[in-house]
Amino acid sequence: AQSVSQHNHHVILSEAASLELGCNYSYGGTVNLFWYVQYPGQHLQLLLKYFSGDPLVKGIKGFEAEFIKSKFSFNLRKPSVQWSDTAEYFCAVTTNTGGFKTIFGAGTRLFVKA
Amino acid sequence: DGGITQSPKYLFRKEGQNVTLSCEQNLNHDAMYWYRQDPGQGLRLIYYSQIVNDFQKGDIAEGYSVSREKKESFPLTVTSAQKNPTAFYLCASMTGDYGYTFGSGTRLTVV
Repeated sequence: AQSVSQHNHHVILSEAASLELGCNYSYGGTVNLFWYVQYPGQHLQLLLKYFSGDPLVKGIKGFEAEFIKSKFSFNLRKPSVQWSDTAEYFCAVTTNTGGFKTIFGAGTRLFVKA
Repeated sequence: DGGITQSPKYLFRKEGQNVTLSCEQNLNHDAMYWYRQDPGQGLRLIYYSQIVNDFQKGDIAEGYSVSREKKESFPLTVTSAQKNPTAFYLCASMTGDYGYTFGSGTRLTVV
């Protein structure tokens, strides 16, 4: 069965630390990849997406993610986090197996200490 | 501004009651979705609709029902058959590039 794994459920960092959130998926075909973010009290919003081309994609607020096809991974990175990055982050994968289907990871809660 | 409006923001339900969650969009998107969000489990698909008057079950449809009589509206009914309805419910529509636009959610609590 197709699945999306986010390795860390909770991450605590100090401001200015570097961030990497892992995301792996299990599906051998063509995928579209997404990271969504949910700030406290706000709705889920798209952070960045990958469809094709350059495997390093840049999103809003200084986030980027790298698609490594051989590792089935789409890890999210930010060189220097801020207190305002405190949020829950969800990786999502859309596949096309007789119809488009999106699978979400369980989410990673990031807390950034000021 | 275009977007998705969910109401109410908080909803309390007694055991054995049916409740309906509202979802309205003014984005002119064809496809709409209902997800359930539980801590540590991510988002799970309840129902989706790709066109008016048509909808499909998702992964956890038991105890839920939907309708899609208008393009703008996709209400979700949580029936008394849903054994564990306390959760955060998210409505979304899909953009042309398979990304989602989400509403602000409804938090349902059984009392």
